[in-house]
Amino acid sequence: NAGVTQTPKFQVLKTGQSMTLQCAQDMNHNSMYWYRQDPGMGLRLIYYSASEGTTDKGEVPNGYNVSRLNKREFSLRLESAAPSQTSVYFCASSEATVAGGGNEQFFGPGTRLTVL
Amino acid sequence: GNSVTQMEGPVTLSEEAFLTINCTYTATGYPSLFWYVQYPGEGLQLLLKATKADDKGSNKGFEATYRKETTSFHLEKGSVQVSDSAVYFCALSGSAGGTSYGKLTFGQGTILTVHP
Repeated sequence: NAGVTQTPKFQVLKTGQSMTLQCAQDMNHNSMYWYRQDPGMGLRLIYYSASEGTTDKGEVPNGYNVSRLNKREFSLRLESAAPSQTSVYFCASSEATVAGGGNEQFFGPGTRLTVL
Repeated sequence: GNSVTQMEGPVTLSEEAFLTINCTYTATGYPSLFWYVQYPGEGLQLLLKATKADDKGSNKGFEATYRKETTSFHLEKGSVQVSDSAVYFCALSGSAGGTSYGKLTFGQGTILTVHP
């Protein structure tokens, strides 16, 4: 049981390049999330998906797009990377449904992205 | 909107010392409250949670009590170990009956270092 997996683990981009971060979960969870972690700011929600085929913006969506390919996979795309997107990116999943307040989120190991 | 405030760190303790990390929140209704821990180079994992007022979450010697009157969820441990060195995040998710889809709002994180 792998839980939540993310690829790649590390990535260096030049300003203006694009890339896609991949995330997959094997727990049959409904909801999936993308966060970014910056020093002194905790984790901030970029986008989330409450079910296959649906996505919605979080707190900091600008510069990102997402795709919920199926129930297992939720990808994050940077179309034109900027230095301000240098961060550690975490994918998470949970059983939460519309009112799901008490459900635990399970996190992947993260992707460390540097944009030069 | 929702927000979480944690005590500023870093916190440095000697082994077997008492630990308190303060956490206060702002939210409408009755959110669920969580403490997550992040060990070096890893993703976040749930440490404990409480879903209603006066609930006490506990795990691995850590405890936190959901205090609605003071909007607090302080983390405590009676005797810390070197292996407790990590970053600790307080978080909340929306009230039952809402449309939170389990989204988490995080505090900024507190770095704990325990010396032998």
